[in-house]
Amino acid sequence: DTAVSQTPKYLVTQMGNDKSIKCEQNLGHDTMYWYKQDSKKFLKIMFSYNNKELIINETVPNRFSPKSPDKAHLNLHINSLELGDSAVYFCASSQDLNNNQPQHFGDGTRLSIL
Amino acid sequence: QQQVKQSPQSLIVQKGGIPIINCAYENTAFDYFPWYQQFPGKGPALLIAIRPDVSEKKEGRFTISFNKSAKQFSLHIMDSQPGDSATYFCAAKAAGNKLTFGGGTRVLVKP
Repeated sequence: DTAVSQTPKYLVTQMGNDKSIKCEQNLGHDTMYWYKQDSKKFLKIMFSYNNKELIINETVPNRFSPKSPDKAHLNLHINSLELGDSAVYFCASSQDLNNNQPQHFGDGTRLSIL
Repeated sequence: QQQVKQSPQSLIVQKGGIPIINCAYENTAFDYFPWYQQFPGKGPALLIAIRPDVSEKKEGRFTISFNKSAKQFSLHIMDSQPGDSATYFCAAKAAGNKLTFGGGTRVLVKP
């Protein structure tokens, strides 16, 4: 039933490891996004994909690599994790890029780097 | 630099009070201004949104006021309830449906 679902909900790992976060939407939307919310609740876009094509890449370190196998999925792979990567990562989707389509968010993945 | 500035950072009101959250932006290319509500452990959810050619929009107990010349907009929560306690984010949209968020306001409504 969940419109935008992310797994895992929590991720605790050591510095230097590689990890992935998965996102799936069942809304039939064309556009998907990844956001990072830091410890001060500041929410910032990282990437967006439209029909599996990269649209926005907000000067995110290249240790972060999004992958969109199909329109319904946008996964985030992070290499060589650093302490500063600790945050809540949100996936979102919208119908498309046009006409002020609202973005629907998942419930986030809380990443903690030890 | 923060393109959308939001204030205050936190707000406490009694039930029935009217929390007011203010946002200011600089980029005149922004063409749509949504507000999101976030509860602990959940993702942000769209609450209400306004276009810059409209000065006010009301949906239920939530009202947005928009001042295009001042590049400012605000959210009023009328007759606030304890269930409205959440973090509220203003945002501004640019091309490509790219949202820039304000820093958030934590609202606590006391019974």
